[in-house]
Amino acid sequence: GAGVSQSPSNKVTEKGKDVELRCDPISGHTALYWYRQSLGQGLEFLIYFQGNSAPDKSGLPSDRFSAERTGGSVSTLTIQRTQQEDSAVYLCASSLARREQFFGPGTRLTVL
Amino acid sequence: GIQVEQSPPDLILQEGANSTLRCNFSDSVNNLQWFHQNPWGQLINLFYIPSGTKQNGRLSATTVATERYSLLYISSSQTTDSGVYFCAVERVDMRFGAGTRLTVKP
Repeated sequence: GAGVSQSPSNKVTEKGKDVELRCDPISGHTALYWYRQSLGQGLEFLIYFQGNSAPDKSGLPSDRFSAERTGGSVSTLTIQRTQQEDSAVYLCASSLARREQFFGPGTRLTVL
Repeated sequence: GIQVEQSPPDLILQEGANSTLRCNFSDSVNNLQWFHQNPWGQLINLFYIPSGTKQNGRLSATTVATERYSLLYISSSQTTDSGVYFCAVERVDMRFGAGTRLTVKP
């Protein structure tokens, strides 16, 4: 596609429920990143995928967070048993092998 | 991990003024980018600049990798330049600074 797309744009869920966030990167981009941005804060790195290599999961805050990238394209970030502190904007970016990153519009997650 | 410090944290300008934003980082990096986050939250690429100088219209950036800093220059600022400017560096993973919040007043 022309740019990175993310869905849903907004998600409201109840504490304890699982959520899935989706990212469609720019076609042909081999690298995909997930970040989290809390209100008024900078971006926190979560996970990085590069081609078929094992992902860099070093930024995932707990084992409730996981992500996969199917077929080297679409990625899904899953948060299990959501907590109120998970409320944030989740941003996805893609790039050609660790060069310029292009960001999607984000998913605003609210955990009640 | 690598530390990224941006200054100033906040900046208020009158339309037409020039400004310089700074990004210091604590280790050598493979990648450095400047982003603008507009009031609607969208992050927009400004520069991919691991070293050297680039210019794009009223904006320019310089990275001195050996001294571990980068500068973003905004000339003749406009109200649409308002937002948060982030510097991000990559060594092993991507790290963002806390940003500079710029407000340009008409």
